[in-house]
Amino acid sequence: AQSVTQLGSHVSVSEGALVLLRCNYSSSVPPYLFWYVQYPNQGLQLLLKYTTGATLVKGINGFEAEFKKSETSFHLTKPSAHMSDAAEYFCAVTPREETSGSRLTFGEGTQLTVNP
Amino acid sequence: KAGVTQTPRYLIKTRGQQVTLSCSPISGHRSVSWYQQTPGQGLQFLFEYFSETQRNKGNFPGRFSGRQFSNSRSEMNVSTLELGDSALYLCASSYPSGGDTQYFGPGTRLTVL
Repeated sequence: AQSVTQLGSHVSVSEGALVLLRCNYSSSVPPYLFWYVQYPNQGLQLLLKYTTGATLVKGINGFEAEFKKSETSFHLTKPSAHMSDAAEYFCAVTPREETSGSRLTFGEGTQLTVNP
Repeated sequence: KAGVTQTPRYLIKTRGQQVTLSCSPISGHRSVSWYQQTPGQGLQFLFEYFSETQRNKGNFPGRFSGRQFSNSRSEMNVSTLELGDSALYLCASSYPSGGDTQYFGPGTRLTVL
């Protein structure tokens, strides 16, 4: 069974500082990889995803993530944090096997706080 | 395109009752998945429907069930509610391949008293 680990349930940064949210997956075959963001009392919004091709993926709101197969990682970064980035972030995976459908397995989530 | 809609947004029920939640996917999406979100267990997959058939099922008791209609709209039902069923229930729709993006609705907040 696949699993996703997000290091750090809470991350706090200053406005303008680098944001780094960590995600590692465990799977014998690299899965499809996703980052979602959730604002209070809302559903999840896709930030970016990796399916194939270039391993550095750019998403919305200035976020990007790099797929590193050797490290089984898909860390999310943003060069300069903004107050509006404060939210909960989830890393998620879906197996590549056709029979797996669209079932997402999520990490535990990382609550990002941005300090003025 | 209109996004994923879920109704109702909030529900309060008592133990032992049953509840039905509804999800309307994005137009053209044929896969609908349901997730339960709680502070203790995080986001957990309930089930996925594609072309009116359950394609995947998570590790939840049989009290949790769902269905999908020919227009891809989906409902999930929870019977004999327990206090632990209090959660945010999220619906997501997508095209049927695993690499396709799942688009989430705002969720239904269920409180069981």
